[in-house]
Amino acid sequence: GQQLNQSPQSMFIQEGEDVSMNCTSSSIFNTWLWYKQDPGEGPVLLIALYKAGELTSNGRLTAQFGITRKDSFLNISASIPSDVGIYFCAGPRMDSSYKLIFGSGTRLLVRP
Amino acid sequence: SAVISQKPSRDICQRGTSLTIQCQVDSQVTMMFWYRQQPGQSLTLIATANQGSEATYESGFVIDKFPISRPNLTFSTLTVSNMSPEDSSIYLCSGRTDEQFFGPGTRLTVL
Repeated sequence: GQQLNQSPQSMFIQEGEDVSMNCTSSSIFNTWLWYKQDPGEGPVLLIALYKAGELTSNGRLTAQFGITRKDSFLNISASIPSDVGIYFCAGPRMDSSYKLIFGSGTRLLVRP
Repeated sequence: SAVISQKPSRDICQRGTSLTIQCQVDSQVTMMFWYRQQPGQSLTLIATANQGSEATYESGFVIDKFPISRPNLTFSTLTVSNMSPEDSSIYLCSGRTDEQFFGPGTRLTVL
């Protein structure tokens, strides 16, 4: 079945550093979504990607839709303490495109 | 995007009891979903809440355990029935228009 594999599982970085995380699948996706979940909250959509090769930014965040359509990465530049949280990639399921499948998440911890 | 609120935000319940979680969206949405997020895990879809008809459940989830209502386009409830400690999770309501967005979640602890 479809699976989304995220790496790294967690990362502990220094404030001000750049961060990179990725999401891969053995299946092709037509849409890649990146969500962030703050502690005690629900996930919030950060970036949506709809086209292979697309590179999209949202403030200090940049995400790319891989050309093979089987991967995506998310970069965060100049990390700050409020970047702490869990980052999930997600994409539409093959059996029902209006339902999402989520990756296992990357937990980001920032050292002040 | 629309805003989702959930009640209660958290609860501690005894084994064998049931809890109903309410989800209210501040505008009409085409679709509503319920997810479970077990401790330290990702999100797992429980069911799609269908307006005025029975919910559509994912594999591994059944109506007797997780009855769902959706009387209109902005409101839904999820009941966790006959609870056991394994039901301790965060339960998230989600709505979809052009994009999919989430409520703050209900953190359930079953003793």
